[in-house]
Amino acid sequence: KAGVTQTPRYLIKTRGQQVTLSCSPISGHRSVSWYQQTPGQGLQFLFEYFSETQRNKGNFPGRFSGRQFSNSRSEMNVSTLELGDSALYLCASRTGLAGPITGELFFGEGSRLTVL
Amino acid sequence: DQQVKQNSPSLSVQEGRISILNCDYTNSMFDYFLWYKKYPAEGPTFLISISSIKDKNEDGRFTVFLNKSAKHLSLHIVPSQPGDSAVYFCAASATGGSEKLVFGKGTKLTVNP
Repeated sequence: KAGVTQTPRYLIKTRGQQVTLSCSPISGHRSVSWYQQTPGQGLQFLFEYFSETQRNKGNFPGRFSGRQFSNSRSEMNVSTLELGDSALYLCASRTGLAGPITGELFFGEGSRLTVL
Repeated sequence: DQQVKQNSPSLSVQEGRISILNCDYTNSMFDYFLWYKKYPAEGPTFLISISSIKDKNEDGRFTVFLNKSAKHLSLHIVPSQPGDSAVYFCAASATGGSEKLVFGKGTKLTVNP
């Protein structure tokens, strides 16, 4: 069974540009969530999508947005990039059943974004 | 406001000895706790979890202890192996709250041969 796939794995952008990251969840998983990992802040929740609808959103500015397609694939977009957006962006999928997250969160390898 | 805290950024242990990783939380609504392990250039992988109705959960060499009154949990690895060297993240979720994980900043464990 294929795992969570994220593309691209590495990318370099300059301040002011925008970036789009892609995530393909495990087959059958309908929930996709995104996390940002930085050395100083650990992993921080960005948002979660289920059946093409954003279910939850973390404390990030509106420059961070996402969407989910009917095949459960998800994209996240960051506009007007800032130096502080340099981070590892992790996508995770799960079956999306209601209730607490009990460990079935499967992460991809991440997209490493560097903003110059 | 950091709701999940891992106060030790790093820990070094000899192979065969016990590794104890600690985690504190402040939000009393958290009722499910998880540990994830992360190797460089890989995504986090689930290790072990515990519900707030329990105070201990064991899986092979890994045991998680939960002290609800102290809002503290710990991960014990016995015996530690060099392959356990990784960053360990403590995470928490709340039933009835938004279905997200709140992570600590991680503890880098190094197991020396």
